[in-house]
Amino acid sequence: TQLLEQSPQFLSIQEGENLTVYCNSSSVFSSLQWYRQEPGEGPVLLVTVVTGGEVKKLKRLTFQFGDARKDSSLHITAAQPGDTGLYLCAGYASGSARQLTFGSGTQLTVLP
Amino acid sequence: KAGVTQTPRYLIKTRGQQVTLSCSPISGHRSVSWYQQTPGQGLQFLFEYFSETQRNKGNFPGRFSGRQFSNSRSEMNVSTLELGDSALYLCASSLQGAVGTDTQYFGPGTRLTVL
Repeated sequence: TQLLEQSPQFLSIQEGENLTVYCNSSSVFSSLQWYRQEPGEGPVLLVTVVTGGEVKKLKRLTFQFGDARKDSSLHITAAQPGDTGLYLCAGYASGSARQLTFGSGTQLTVLP
Repeated sequence: KAGVTQTPRYLIKTRGQQVTLSCSPISGHRSVSWYQQTPGQGLQFLFEYFSETQRNKGNFPGRFSGRQFSNSRSEMNVSTLELGDSALYLCASSLQGAVGTDTQYFGPGTRLTVL
């Protein structure tokens, strides 16, 4: 059983569409991070959210941390082919501050 | 500033052999963590080293071990390789900032194939 459940697992959309990826858990996390990974490379950190209810924007990407610090979402506006990749949420569960737990990932494909 | 480097990038071994993977962290980073990534299980934490000491360990068998040197470089070793050990092995380094918000920087990984 994954501590962090991501949905959807796969997403294929047309350029210009909007999308949302969800990351849910029954556990409380002291922080949640979102990464993007491209083939043959390691994950690259996009953002870290720390405070419950926090919203962070990175150009066309909007990240939200749930009030109870158990869930997070990533929203992409007007997706572009360059957004294609594996999106991973990860967090430090309360009591496991040194062990980063990853979600199962969302493979996003943006078609031109 | 150079990123995290891992060597080798690709490795092919046969069952029963052992393998050693190397990771050089970002200069100044003292923590090195190792992860295994497979299509079925995703990214799973193996262990973390800080100042040459293993500080945290994931749920992997004893065939998986590691160490860290005084210059923070780290190696992981897998003995008696099994087919299921085929995976991308990722190393990540961090400064060790505030607990629970440490930013980890990943290397490109070593792709291990066990035949």
